[in-house]
Amino acid sequence: DADVTQTPRNRITKTGKRIMLECSQTKGHDRMYWYRQDPGLGLQLIYYSFDVKDINKGEISDGYSVSRQAQAKFSLSLESAIPNQTALYFCATSGGTDTGELFFGEGSRLTVL
Amino acid sequence: GQNIDQPTEMTATEGAIVQINCTYQTSGFNGLFWYQQHAGEAPTFLSYNVLDGLEEKGRFSSFLSRSKGYSYLLVKELQMKDSASYLCAVMDSNYQLIWGAGTKLIIKP
Repeated sequence: DADVTQTPRNRITKTGKRIMLECSQTKGHDRMYWYRQDPGLGLQLIYYSFDVKDINKGEISDGYSVSRQAQAKFSLSLESAIPNQTALYFCATSGGTDTGELFFGEGSRLTVL
Repeated sequence: GQNIDQPTEMTATEGAIVQINCTYQTSGFNGLFWYQQHAGEAPTFLSYNVLDGLEEKGRFSSFLSRSKGYSYLLVKELQMKDSASYLCAVMDSNYQLIWGAGTKLIIKP
């Protein structure tokens, strides 16, 4: 089983719908991240959390919200989805080591019609 | 603003060597990362450089020059499975990762 698991892997929805993407990890890491990836662009940070009581906005947080339910779980919500939120979303974890290596989930492909 | 530049696409031949360049302008520097991402899959960590010089790990090597804001990833003895995108990322003074758009590497037989 994957150390970082995302659900759903694929989702098609309509404009205005609420969508939740879930992420769970078994690596025991405190730090968790949500990224968005669009063709031709670098990964963009949406939100990150360094522990259960810590939530921070990334560079593109507008239109998104997150919840850190436990050390192992970090969910991303789109309260009212719009077509330009169509993208590939990645959850990642980090143990906060010197190298800061990120461990990514397999990605959630979201299409908003 | 902060910026990471890398070529959009490169083509190389199986068995050869390829060098993928990355230049950066960031607010501070706390390390540079290279990740590999196969199409439709998650990025996976390749290397980390925080001091100038060359870091070697098997067929993959990464070089850093902080004074020039420059890094390269060198892949030797190219294999078909090396066809992927290679992402350069820099950790800035706030320990945030700034990502390049990635270089798509195409390997030809």
